[in-house]
Amino acid sequence: AQSVTQLDSQVPVFEEAPVELRCNYSSSVSVYLFWYVQYPNQGLQLLLKYLSGSTLVKGINGFEAEFNKSQTSFHLRKPSVHISDTAEYFCAVRVFGNFNKFYFGSGTKLNVKP
Amino acid sequence: NAGVTQTPKFQVLKTGQSMTLQCAQDMNHNSMYWYRQDPGMGLRLIYYSASEGTTDKGEVPNGYNVSRLNKREFSLRLESAAPSQTSVYFCASSEIQVYEQYFGPGTRLTVT
Repeated sequence: AQSVTQLDSQVPVFEEAPVELRCNYSSSVSVYLFWYVQYPNQGLQLLLKYLSGSTLVKGINGFEAEFNKSQTSFHLRKPSVHISDTAEYFCAVRVFGNFNKFYFGSGTKLNVKP
Repeated sequence: NAGVTQTPKFQVLKTGQSMTLQCAQDMNHNSMYWYRQDPGMGLRLIYYSASEGTTDKGEVPNGYNVSRLNKREFSLRLESAAPSQTSVYFCASSEIQVYEQYFGPGTRLTVT
């Protein structure tokens, strides 16, 4: 069975500091990987995705993520965060052979402090 | 393009009342989904529809029914609301060739 684990439920960080949000997944088959962001009282919007090719993917708002197949991880990073990055971030997986289902992590709340 | 729209945005129900949450997408996607979001639990899949005319249960289908009215619309019905169904409900759509899901703005439901 597939599962997605986001190890940190909350990450406090000061403005302009770097941040890493961790995501690990379990799957015996190939996957597509996604990071979504949810601002307060809004729906989810796509931040970035890994489909194939280069393991380092860049997304919107200066975020990037690295796919590590051996560690089954897809950690999200930003070198310098802004107050406006305060939001909840969700990692998601779509599995080859079962394209109708997406599996979501429990979310990480990023709180950027001045 | 409006993307994925949901109505209503907010709803308060009394225990035992029924209601239908509406969802529509204008991206010609085949697949549509209903999720609920509760604090600390991420998104949990209630039902999904891989294509017009088909629906399947997700993780937490009890207490809900769905209808895929046509390719654009996918509704979620609570026949007899319970306080445990207090949640934020999201509709999403996708297509195999599109890869990611597109989400609506959500419906915040409170059952008292």
